[in-house]
Amino acid sequence: GENVEQHPSTLSVQEGDSAVIKCTYSDSASNYFPWYKQELGKRPQLIIDIRSNVGEKKDQRIAVTLNKTAKHFSLHITETQPEDSAVYFCAASIESNMLTFGGGTRLMVKP
Amino acid sequence: GAVVSQHPSRVICKSGTSVKIECRSLDFQATTMFWYRQFPKKSLMLMATSNEGSKATYEQGVEKDKFLINHASLTLSTLTVTSAHPEDSSFYICSARDWGGRAGFGAFFGQGTRLTVV
Repeated sequence: GENVEQHPSTLSVQEGDSAVIKCTYSDSASNYFPWYKQELGKRPQLIIDIRSNVGEKKDQRIAVTLNKTAKHFSLHITETQPEDSAVYFCAASIESNMLTFGGGTRLMVKP
Repeated sequence: GAVVSQHPSRVICKSGTSVKIECRSLDFQATTMFWYRQFPKKSLMLMATSNEGSKATYEQGVEKDKFLINHASLTLSTLTVTSAHPEDSSFYICSARDWGGRAGFGAFFGQGTRLTVV
């Protein structure tokens, strides 16, 4: 089955700096890669996703890049703000099948 | 995005009793829903895949007789934790995918249920 590794497990940045979270996956058949943000005690919220026919996708301060050859994808958050502090999860799946999640990254943005 | 509603958000029950958690897709039909369990500061672990009109598919190590899943309609899946014990205390969360509909391939999550067994 699919295995998703996520790094780092914790990340502390200064407000205004950029944050990068990286994930690798094992199943070359995976073609859908979403990123979720989860605040304490809340549900994961989809923040951005990318499909395998695209190498990069951007939405305001958030961008995701995908390298299918190397089987890794990354989340980039620019101009970080304190409200970006949360746990971020990457995931991988084949189309609409079940998602396999990475271990999560606790992002702390210091004012 | 699509809306998934989960109830209850919190439940405290006595050891040995059963608890039912509901997961509803409010504005789309979900032939498949997924149930996850999340321990504090940990990732989401898939417990089972709930299929409308058929038996659920359980992940290895998940007791099907303890975690009963019913998916009787295209908008409702239920997870019943039977004979709950303190070690079943956890955050349970469901998700559903809109199968390439308005929400694309995104999976949307319910609010989660914090189960405490005393």
